[in-house]
Amino acid sequence: QKEVEQDPGPLSVPEGAIVSLNCTYSNSAFQYFMWYRQYSRKGPELLMYTYSSGNKEDGRFTAQVDKSSKYISLFIRDSQPSDSATYLCAVPLNQGGKLIFGQGTELSVKP
Amino acid sequence: GAGVSQTPSNKVTEKGKYVELRCDPISGHTALYWYRQSLGQGPEFLIYFQGTGAADDSGLPNDRFFAVRPEGSVSTLKIQRTERGDSAVYLCASSLTWDRVGNQPQHFGDGTRLSIL
Repeated sequence: QKEVEQDPGPLSVPEGAIVSLNCTYSNSAFQYFMWYRQYSRKGPELLMYTYSSGNKEDGRFTAQVDKSSKYISLFIRDSQPSDSATYLCAVPLNQGGKLIFGQGTELSVKP
Repeated sequence: GAGVSQTPSNKVTEKGKYVELRCDPISGHTALYWYRQSLGQGPEFLIYFQGTGAADDSGLPNDRFFAVRPEGSVSTLKIQRTERGDSAVYLCASSLTWDRVGNQPQHFGDGTRLSIL
C-alpha cells in the first residue's frame, strides 16, 4: 500500500462548480498535510497546509483532515478556469522534511 | 530572482552520457531537496541537504546518481551513464530550515525536463 493515495482523475467540471479532491494516507503518525497546485510545465506551488484534524479555509479553498479515517480533502468553491491544474496532496515524514506526494488529480474547469 | 531557479530547463542527451542539473535555492534557505517526477505521477523524493551535507539520500535510485551542495547554497544533481528510464522532470525545492516535525513549506522550481534518447 502506498503511503499516500490519490485518484488521478482527470476531473472535468463546469465553471462555478464545487470541486472535491481527496487523498487517503496509511500512517496514523502523519501530522501535517499539504496541498500543492501544479500548472502544466511548472513546479508545484504550495496552496494550503493543515496540522492535525479539522478544517482550514483560505478564500475559495478549504482543506479538511479526518485523522480517524486517514482522509484529506480539498474543496474549491466557485471554481474558475484558472483553477485548471494538477492538485497534489503531500505529507512530510517526521524524520527529515521530505514530502511524500500522492499521484495528483488533474482538474479541468470548463468556461 | 525571488524563487528557486533550475538550469537547464530542458536537457536532451544520449543514453550513456553524463548530465549535471543545477539548482539555485531561495536566498537564505538552508534546506534543499531534489525530487523526480515521471509523467502522470507525483514527485518522488531523491535527496535532501541541510546546509552542505546530505541529511537523507535514501531516495537516490542507484549509485549512478549523486548530488552535492559544497557551499550550502547551489546544488548540482549528477547522473552518470544515463539510461532511458532516467527520463523525467527533476524538481528542486528549498525551505527556510527543517525541524523534526517537517512543517517548513517547500518552494519548488519549475524543474529540468531530462530526455534520454
